[in-house]
Amino acid sequence: EAGVTQFPSHSVIEKGQTVTLRCDPISGHDNLYWYRRVMGKEIKFLLHFVKESKQDESGMPNNRFLAERTGGTYSTLKVQPAELEDSGVYFCASSQERWGAPEAFFGQGTRLTVV
Amino acid sequence: GNSVTQMEGPVTLSEEAFLTINCTYTATGYPSLFWYVQYPGEGLQLLLKATKADDKGSNKGFEATYRKETTSFHLEKGSVQVSDSAVYFCALSDRFGNEKLTFGTGTRLTIIP
Repeated sequence: EAGVTQFPSHSVIEKGQTVTLRCDPISGHDNLYWYRRVMGKEIKFLLHFVKESKQDESGMPNNRFLAERTGGTYSTLKVQPAELEDSGVYFCASSQERWGAPEAFFGQGTRLTVV
Repeated sequence: GNSVTQMEGPVTLSEEAFLTINCTYTATGYPSLFWYVQYPGEGLQLLLKATKADDKGSNKGFEATYRKETTSFHLEKGSVQVSDSAVYFCALSDRFGNEKLTFGTGTRLTIIP
C-alpha cells in the first residue's frame, strides 16, 4: 500500500512568486492534515480536511495560503505571494479514523525555501 | 491552549547507552500522547502512543508512560543503537474529537558507534 506522497520534495522560489504543494493521502483516508515546521521549531498544525470539507483551518497563518481538496482525494496548498517567513518544511498527513487517537501517517514533507 | 515542551537537543550518545528524552505537556481535558520519529530522508512515523493516565506505550525497545500527575511522557530506551539516530517529536491530541496534533520542537538524537 502506498504511503502519503508529497510533491515536490524541494522548492526554491523568489519572494512574491506562487508555489503549489501537493499531497496524495493514503487511499481511503478521509482525514487529511497539513502541518509546517519553520526553522527547526515545533511542527505546527495548519488545517484539517474531512473528505473535501475543511474541518479546521485555525492554523492557517494568513490569506496568502489557500488549501483545497478536490473530490476528497489529493490536496493542494498554494502560497501566493510567497514571503521569506513562509520558508520551512510542509508536512501532509492522513488518517482513516477521527476518534480514539488514530495514527496519522505522514509524508516526507516539502522543503520550501523563499529567497 | 495546548502545548508540548520537549528536551532541547541535539543529544549525542554512545551505542548501548541509556536514553531519556523529556517531554511535558499542558492541555485541557485528557489528551492522548504520542512520540513520532523522523529518520533521515523520511517522513514522520508513529513510534508509540498512550491514550490514558498510567498507560505505557512501547515499540522497538522504546517506552513512555503517561504520567498525569506530572503531565509528562518521557521517552526511554535501555540500550540505543546507531540505527536509532533520528529526530524525535513528542505530541498530543485532545481525546474528544480535536484530533489535530500539537508537537514539541523535536530532539535530534545521534548515536555514535
